[in-house]
Amino acid sequence: LAKTTQPISMDSYEGQEVNITCSHNNIATNDYITWYQQFPSQGPRFIIQGYKTKVTNEVASLFIPADRKSSTLSLPRVSLSDTAVYYCLVVLIGDSGAGSYQLTFGKGTKLSVIP
Amino acid sequence: SQTIHQWPATLVQPVGSPLSLECTVEGTSNPNLYWYRQAAGRGLQLLFYSVGIGQISSEVPQNLSASRPQDRQFILSSKKLLLSDSGFYLCAWSGGNNEQFFGPGTRLTVL
Repeated sequence: LAKTTQPISMDSYEGQEVNITCSHNNIATNDYITWYQQFPSQGPRFIIQGYKTKVTNEVASLFIPADRKSSTLSLPRVSLSDTAVYYCLVVLIGDSGAGSYQLTFGKGTKLSVIP
Repeated sequence: SQTIHQWPATLVQPVGSPLSLECTVEGTSNPNLYWYRQAAGRGLQLLFYSVGIGQISSEVPQNLSASRPQDRQFILSSKKLLLSDSGFYLCAWSGGNNEQFFGPGTRLTVL
């Protein structure tokens, strides 16, 4: 499983765009980049996933450069309710074994949104 | 729609006592099931996962065990709790794709 590195914490004011970068230098060909969000005393929640270039949904955007050794989660116009821990994971897709669905969570990035 | 339940929500147990945490999933069949633990200020640690009834894989050796007596039931147990077992225990399921869905968690405090 490829290891990921992301900042321990970030602060942002309400209404700003927040970009959280994750490095995954050892990412493999069949790995996807996946981001989860976790509020205090709750389980993580899937936010977005991508393989390369750019993916956008109603919550966030994910930018992945051509070499795929890093990725950036972009949260547009954050609000106080976006205060949470954000985890970057590299996930192997396509293997029928359950091992490919194991998620290795690091410590994540604790985002604090300031009013 | 699928839902995942965990109970109890909180638990305070003395050292050396047994433990049983239960997780059930509704609205899906043959899910992959997972138990995670999150210690204070740390990331999630995968403890066990299961691809079917009676099939358990352990990721970390410890005094915990898991069982899957039914397709959508996953149980985490211990015969004798340690102080280091305190933490936030999360059950999750996946339908065989990349996304895992987590339960509400159980906050365990061992005194």
